[in-house]
Amino acid sequence: DQQVKQNSPSLSVQEGRISILNCDYTNSMFDYFLWYKKYPAEGPTFLISISSIKDKNEDGRFTVFLNKSAKHLSLHIVPSQPGDSAVYFCAARGFNAGNNRKLIWGLGTSLGVNP
Amino acid sequence: KAGVTQTPRYLIKTRGQQVTLSCSPISGHRSVSWYQQTPGQGLQFLFEYFSETQRNKGNFPGRFSGRQFSNSRSEMNVSTLELGDSALYLCASSISSDTQYFGPGTRLTVL
Repeated sequence: DQQVKQNSPSLSVQEGRISILNCDYTNSMFDYFLWYKKYPAEGPTFLISISSIKDKNEDGRFTVFLNKSAKHLSLHIVPSQPGDSAVYFCAARGFNAGNNRKLIWGLGTSLGVNP
Repeated sequence: KAGVTQTPRYLIKTRGQQVTLSCSPISGHRSVSWYQQTPGQGLQFLFEYFSETQRNKGNFPGRFSGRQFSNSRSEMNVSTLELGDSALYLCASSISSDTQYFGPGTRLTVL
């Protein structure tokens, strides 16, 4: 049961254009969402997050949008650069059966930015 | 502030052996989570420790175990290694199940 879904395994964009990575979730109790970037053979790097009380958060070239009614968030990268080529993971904070917080991860989207 | 460190970075073992991986979290972080990543797979959650207690657990067999020490350092142990255990093992620390910061990982190869 995948509670956080990244339906596009891969995405290819041209340098300078916008990259849009999407993430859907099923649990309306998730209260915090994060995006990570991962290069091969390295640990993921935190990019940007958003609380469920907001609908937008921006940090430089990265903006995350949250649509709670649709249970959907997206990461926009503008302008895209070749160095942005990586796997992007979406994560959501929920609770386990013991009411402890836990992060639930999507399977990732591989972004390729072509020069 | 130093980041998350993992040792060793690379490890080669044979089937049936056991292995222990170590993770030192960012200073002040009390939560340590472990993940397995295999080629083409996402991050498979193993377990999370907080203040020396296992707080969350993924769906891995009992051969995978962990512990956390009073200084928040954590170890992960895999017994009776199988070929399918070959993976990148990632450790992440956080203050408390919020933003996680990852180490570089340990690349385990089982022959």
